[in-house]
Amino acid sequence: TQLLEQSPQFLSIQEGENLTVYCNSSSVFSSLQWYRQEPGEGPVLLVTVVTGGEVKKLKRLTFQFGDARKDSSLHITAAQPGDTGLYLCAGVRGSTLGRLYFGRGTQLTVWP
Amino acid sequence: EADIYQTPRYLVIGTGKKITLECSQTMGHDKMYWYQQDPGMELHLIHYSYGVNSTEKGDLSSESTVSRIRTEHFPLTLESARPSHTSQYLCASRGVSGRAGEQYFGPGTRLTVT
Repeated sequence: TQLLEQSPQFLSIQEGENLTVYCNSSSVFSSLQWYRQEPGEGPVLLVTVVTGGEVKKLKRLTFQFGDARKDSSLHITAAQPGDTGLYLCAGVRGSTLGRLYFGRGTQLTVWP
Repeated sequence: EADIYQTPRYLVIGTGKKITLECSQTMGHDKMYWYQQDPGMELHLIHYSYGVNSTEKGDLSSESTVSRIRTEHFPLTLESARPSHTSQYLCASRGVSGRAGEQYFGPGTRLTVT
């Protein structure tokens, strides 16, 4: 059973379009991270959210943690080809010292 | 910028060979992890360590073993490689100051067993 469900699994869009990726669970998380992974490389941390309802912005990327801390979303405004990659959400349950649970990722392709 | 390294980056090896995948970090992190990643699948935790001489198995059953003799070094060994071991192996680390569970990943080792 997948603890974190990401949708969509694949997303192919044109440069300049907006998009939203979702990360959902029936479990409560004490924190949630978003990573981006490029082919042949390890995931790179983008952001951490810890408070229900928290919104963080990273240039054209906006991350939101659900009020109940069970879900999160990543919104990209005016996508660029450089945004292409696998976007992974991962969460910690219970103690912040706990292990990370990963979703299966959303593969984003942005065409010029 | 995280300083965590993995070697080799790519490895093609025959069935039955013994292999060791190296992972080193220069950040002084206590916690280190090994994940296995296949296309379209989530990262599976196969081993972790919370410090020197501490190692535990993760969720995914693995025939590999790990050791943690030094803080900075967390190698993974397969005594007898099989085609089912073909996968991407990712090493990660996390320090005590790591807020809310963030982990820093190495570039990975792509293993192919023929």
